[in-house]
Amino acid sequence: QSVLTQPPSVSGAPGQSVTISCTGTTSNIGAGYNVHWYQHLPGRAPKLLIYINHNRPSGVPDRFSASKSGTSASLAITGLQAEDEGDYYCQAYDRSLTVWVFGGGTKLTVL
Amino acid sequence: QLQLQESGPVVVKPSETLSLTCTVSGVSVTSAGNHLEWIRQAPGKGLEWIGNIHPGGRTSFNPSLKSRVTISVDTSSNQFSLTMTSVTATDTALYYCARNSSGLDIWGPGTMVTVSS
Repeated sequence: QSVLTQPPSVSGAPGQSVTISCTGTTSNIGAGYNVHWYQHLPGRAPKLLIYINHNRPSGVPDRFSASKSGTSASLAITGLQAEDEGDYYCQAYDRSLTVWVFGGGTKLTVL
Repeated sequence: QLQLQESGPVVVKPSETLSLTCTVSGVSVTSAGNHLEWIRQAPGKGLEWIGNIHPGGRTSFNPSLKSRVTISVDTSSNQFSLTMTSVTATDTALYYCARNSSGLDIWGPGTMVTVSS
């Protein structure tokens, strides 16, 4: 069981939008630690999708956006494309555990 | 441009020591980033942070692994390494090295390690 809770799966048709939540506690997200998001496509290394809560690295389409509020964060993907299918993880530091923690991951299926 | 590449054994016997190396190319390992990290993913599981090393040598580890893990930097070969002792089947995983620069922005392709006799 991960310290950061994500839904196991989400799905949407091409062109539609989905949101992936990441629920933490007052020891991690709620303590003000930054949240990062990763895209992990089959057979590839994870890729930084969002850094420091809402920032997109160069090359990441603006279809991907994220926000953070209180003890939670969320990743939104608009205009779903087949190539978006894969796993998505949130990450933050936990001061009680003194460890970087990942969410359990959310499998995105593009129908 | 900075690139990372993991290398090490494909199979390790239970109770033995796992040693992996991450070769840094494109920049000096001492200037590669804020921290150099090791992450793993067991089959069918999510990502697990193992630990990191600052170029200055300070290390941090996942408390669940701390007693068995060492991370070090070899500036002469521009590499950093992971050593994990007393491995068991639960250490079977895809191991990644990564650079931490406001998030894990550069990853190696990963190397699969199986613990089996």
